[in-house]
Amino acid sequence: DVKVTQSSRYLVKRTGEKVFLECVQDMDHENMFWYRQDPGLGLRLIYFSYDVKMKEKGDIPEGYSVSREKKERFSLILESASTNQTSMYLCASSDPGTGGFGYTFGSGTRLTVV
Amino acid sequence: SQKIEQNSEALNIQEGKTATLTCNYTNYSPAYLQWYRQDPGRGPVFLLLIRENEKEKRKERLKVTFDTTLKQSLFHITASQPADSATYLCALGATSGTYKYIFGTGTRLKVLA
Repeated sequence: DVKVTQSSRYLVKRTGEKVFLECVQDMDHENMFWYRQDPGLGLRLIYFSYDVKMKEKGDIPEGYSVSREKKERFSLILESASTNQTSMYLCASSDPGTGGFGYTFGSGTRLTVV
Repeated sequence: SQKIEQNSEALNIQEGKTATLTCNYTNYSPAYLQWYRQDPGRGPVFLLLIRENEKEKRKERLKVTFDTTLKQSLFHITASQPADSATYLCALGATSGTYKYIFGTGTRLKVLA
């Protein structure tokens, strides 16, 4: 069964900490994405990557950075965590070949910044 | 700006009935439209994709329509079951190599036994 695996289901971090969220996919997909999901706001795109070492800003990149050193791994970095970054973070991957395949999402990381 | 609207109010229906969920959009001309199911505390799961040149797509008890004139998609679940209870998200994608999608906020469906 193909999978997107996020390293943690729940995280609690302190304000000002540097936080790393890891995502690994085993489908050899070229595209990978990081979203955050908040009640009433839906999924909002933070960053995405369409190739190794390539990245593009999404709709809400402020306060975040990403790293993609290997095709299967896409990391989201919160440079200095703040309470307004408390959210559910979802990683996804897709095959860009035909557009006919949906995203495969991970189970999510619920991050609480205190 | 681009906007996707899904009914934020929960939809309650009786088991065995057909559930119909709506996705409306403005200021956008998507080439693809997708529907996802999301259970509490989990990531969304892809259900169906429909292209702009397709009017209707079916998969088992699921049916999706896509009206680019009305800028609307309807998502139907026939013979609904309590196990269909979840939040359903629509997502729109433009024609681009990255196939980046924007998501609606979802509609919660509850099927009553």
